[in-house]
Amino acid sequence: DAKTTQPNSMESNEEEPVHLPCNHSTISGTDYIHWYRQLPSQGPEYVIHGLTSNVNNRMASLAIAEDRKSSTLILHRATLRDAAVYYCILYLYNFNKFYFGSGTKLNVKP
Amino acid sequence: DTEVTQTPKHLVMGMTNKKSLKCEQHMGHRAMYWYKQKAKKPPELMFVYSYEKLSINESVPSRFSPECPNSSLLNLHLHALQPEDSALYLCASSQAVASGTGELFFGEGSRLTVL
Repeated sequence: DAKTTQPNSMESNEEEPVHLPCNHSTISGTDYIHWYRQLPSQGPEYVIHGLTSNVNNRMASLAIAEDRKSSTLILHRATLRDAAVYYCILYLYNFNKFYFGSGTKLNVKP
Repeated sequence: DTEVTQTPKHLVMGMTNKKSLKCEQHMGHRAMYWYKQKAKKPPELMFVYSYEKLSINESVPSRFSPECPNSSLLNLHLHALQPEDSALYLCASSQAVASGTGELFFGEGSRLTVL
């Protein structure tokens, strides 16, 4: 049973905003939503996380639906260096583990 | 120092060999993880160590044997592996387990090929 669902791939133009969606309809009230990205030949790196409220940091923004069944990672101005696989991850509080979704491969066109 | 260092970066081994993967972090993190990643797939959790004790084993075959000699080091001992075990093995650390607010720091991985 997939805990998160993401599109396989998305494309964006450089310097335009990108909205990466994630569905997590079976999320429980104590599960955190995390986003990581993985550049080619590297390990995943942290992007942002949240529980209920929208979050902003220097890399991105995270918009969480009111019912928490979906979320959106927002990159405000995509650059070529943002081309990566973006993973929507649930931290399952009751199991003390991070569950990776299948990931969205983001292609950024110059 | 916010790095997780993994060695070797590449490893080729036969099915009868014994080898080890090594992971090191000096961030004072008390939780360390092994993940396995097949090509074009997300990382899959294998083991979690918390305060140098094994806290999660995701039903990993016994040919993979983890070891945490101290809070900075994590090893993965490999023996009698199968070709389907070929993958990228990722080590990660975090300040503590059981914290959804914690950030995972990943190494660059060890790419294993089993012949």
